[in-house]
Amino acid sequence: EVQLVESGGGLVQPGGSLRLSCAASGFTFSSYWMSWVRQAPGKGLEWVANIKQDGSEKYYVDSVKGRFTISRDNAKNSLYLQMNSLRAEDTAVYYCARDSSPRYCTNGVCYKGGWFDPWGQGTLVTVSS
Amino acid sequence: AIRITQSPSSLSASTGDRVTITCRASQGISSYLAWYQQKPGKAPKLLIYAASTLQSGVPSRFSGSGSGTDFTLTISCLQSEDFATYYCQQYYSYPQTFGQGTKVEIK
Repeated sequence: EVQLVESGGGLVQPGGSLRLSCAASGFTFSSYWMSWVRQAPGKGLEWVANIKQDGSEKYYVDSVKGRFTISRDNAKNSLYLQMNSLRAEDTAVYYCARDSSPRYCTNGVCYKGGWFDPWGQGTLVTVSS
Repeated sequence: AIRITQSPSSLSASTGDRVTITCRASQGISSYLAWYQQKPGKAPKLLIYAASTLQSGVPSRFSGSGSGTDFTLTISCLQSEDFATYYCQQYYSYPQTFGQGTKVEIK
């Protein structure tokens, strides 16, 4: 069974740091892009970041660039999100998800983008003083 | 960023009803659109990708259509387990963006 289990969430003060982890099982982790997607309380979904199979490409939504770092350890089947300089607006449930990227490849060129399946159960990050 | 406008934001329906949810992209995205179902306190679940391809294990009462800027999710015969919030997501360009969601409630 494909499974993703997040951990590391909690309460942190504004300006603080937190590291989220996602443990993957049931599939060949090193063969897939992986993403983080968040959902503020009572709000919609927002893609945060993703990372290529070998970690050589990483992309972020503008609102977290320079503050968040996505990484992975294929030997440990694990995905990470290092979050620094946290703000109140970063308060959300953070989901890790397997990313189907790339959406299309032709003539040796791949076009990034994909859907997300499956998702973990999420971990809540609360940024508050 | 590509903006996705989803409508309606909520709807009330009865078991057995046919339900239609639409998403409009601010620019053409070909068929690079996915649909998800989310129940309270749970993670989203993929229903459809590539605008109309049903994910394995998803009931056939769910269907998707559209390309370019206008897309539709249809539930042909609403079941009790379908009451949830539905989101569309474009993956044509970064950042990958979601619609604001449609909550399907019991009438």
